[in-house]
Amino acid sequence: GAGVSQSPSNKVTEKGKDVELRCDPISGHTALYWYRQRLGQGLEFLIYFQGNSAPDKSGLPSDRFSAERTGESVSTLTIQRTQQEDSAVYLCASSLEAGGAEAFFGQGTRLTVV
Amino acid sequence: AQSVTQLDSHVSVSEGTPVLLRCNYSSSYSPSLFWYVQHPNKGLQLLLKYTSAATLVKGINGFEAEFKKSETSFHLTKPSAHMSDAAEYFCVVSPYNFNKFYFGSGTKLNVKP
Repeated sequence: GAGVSQSPSNKVTEKGKDVELRCDPISGHTALYWYRQRLGQGLEFLIYFQGNSAPDKSGLPSDRFSAERTGESVSTLTIQRTQQEDSAVYLCASSLEAGGAEAFFGQGTRLTVV
Repeated sequence: AQSVTQLDSHVSVSEGTPVLLRCNYSSSYSPSLFWYVQHPNKGLQLLLKYTSAATLVKGINGFEAEFKKSETSFHLTKPSAHMSDAAEYFCVVSPYNFNKFYFGSGTKLNVKP
């Protein structure tokens, strides 16, 4: 597609429920990132995928968070047993190559846990 | 270690006056540096990037930034602010061959009429 696409754009869920967020990167981009942006704060790195290499999960805040990516295509971020502190905008980005390529960001998924 | 410090959380300027948004970085590797802009309820948009070519980088909408290795700085400037420049700006470092982007905490730019 023309850009990074994320769905849903907004998600309201009850505390304790699981949610799944989807990211479609730009075609041909080998690198894919997930970031979290809490209200009034900067971007917090969550996880990074590069081709078929093992993902860098160093930013995942707890074992309730997981992400998958099939090859160089779609990625899903799953949050289990959501908590109110999970409320944030979840941003996905993709980039063409390693070593300083710019990242293209999606519009984000605004998650609200009530 | 990699880190980015945006020295001002808020900057307020009058329309038509210069803009200076400050950014200092720390990187163990030769970095690529970026500035992104985020308008309210919009996604992040790349303004400009430095990738070891010219140290003065020109971006979109009249913005530019100068990479100063000796000062480990990458400040963003614009000669004349426009109302449409009001947004949040993020300085980002990506160490070479180390695929992760480190974001500063952001600077909110307010432009007064």
